[in-house]
Amino acid sequence: AQSVTQLGSHVSVSEGALVLLRCNYSSSVPPYLFWYVQYPNQGLQLLLKYTSAATLVKGINGFEAEFKKSETSFHLTKPSAHMSDAAEYFCAVSDQARGRRALTFGSGTRLQVQP
Amino acid sequence: GAGVSQSPSNKVTEKGKDVELRCDPISGHTALYWYRQSLGQGLEFLIYFQGNSAPDKSGLPSDRFSAERTGGSVSTLTIQRTQQEDSAVYLCASSLDRGLGSHEQFFGPGTRLTVL
Repeated sequence: AQSVTQLGSHVSVSEGALVLLRCNYSSSVPPYLFWYVQYPNQGLQLLLKYTSAATLVKGINGFEAEFKKSETSFHLTKPSAHMSDAAEYFCAVSDQARGRRALTFGSGTRLQVQP
Repeated sequence: GAGVSQSPSNKVTEKGKDVELRCDPISGHTALYWYRQSLGQGLEFLIYFQGNSAPDKSGLPSDRFSAERTGGSVSTLTIQRTQQEDSAVYLCASSLDRGLGSHEQFFGPGTRLTVL
């Protein structure tokens, strides 16, 4: 069975600082990986996805993530945090190779951005 | 265009009552998903519909939960004899699901269910 682990339920950074949100996955086959963001009282919005093409994936709002098979990781980064980045971030995996398209989510990381 | 919509946005019910939650997917999307988001369990998959195929019900937590999708569009999630542990935000998502590159799931705003 596939699973996702997000290290750190809360991350706090200063405005302008590097954002690093960690995600490790467990899957027996090459997975598809996703990062979603959830703003308060809203649904989930896709930030970026990895689908076995380029290992460095660029997403919206200046975020990017790198797929590292050797480390089974898909960490999310942004060079410079903005106040508007404060939200909850979810890493997710789907087992597309087995035709299972439902997402398995990590427990989420709440990002705080301090002025 | 219009995104995924869900109704009601909030639902408060008494323990033991039945509830129905509605999801209107993006027009033309063939796949529809239900997820549940709760404090204790995080985001969990419930059920997945794809076209005319039999739904994947592997995530439904008990037989009190059921869902249907009429005409390949609107979906209703029904919870019978609600329990307090059913309190959560129920999220619906849809996707095109045509080939490898069309699997992005678009989420609705959710229905917050509170069981008293």
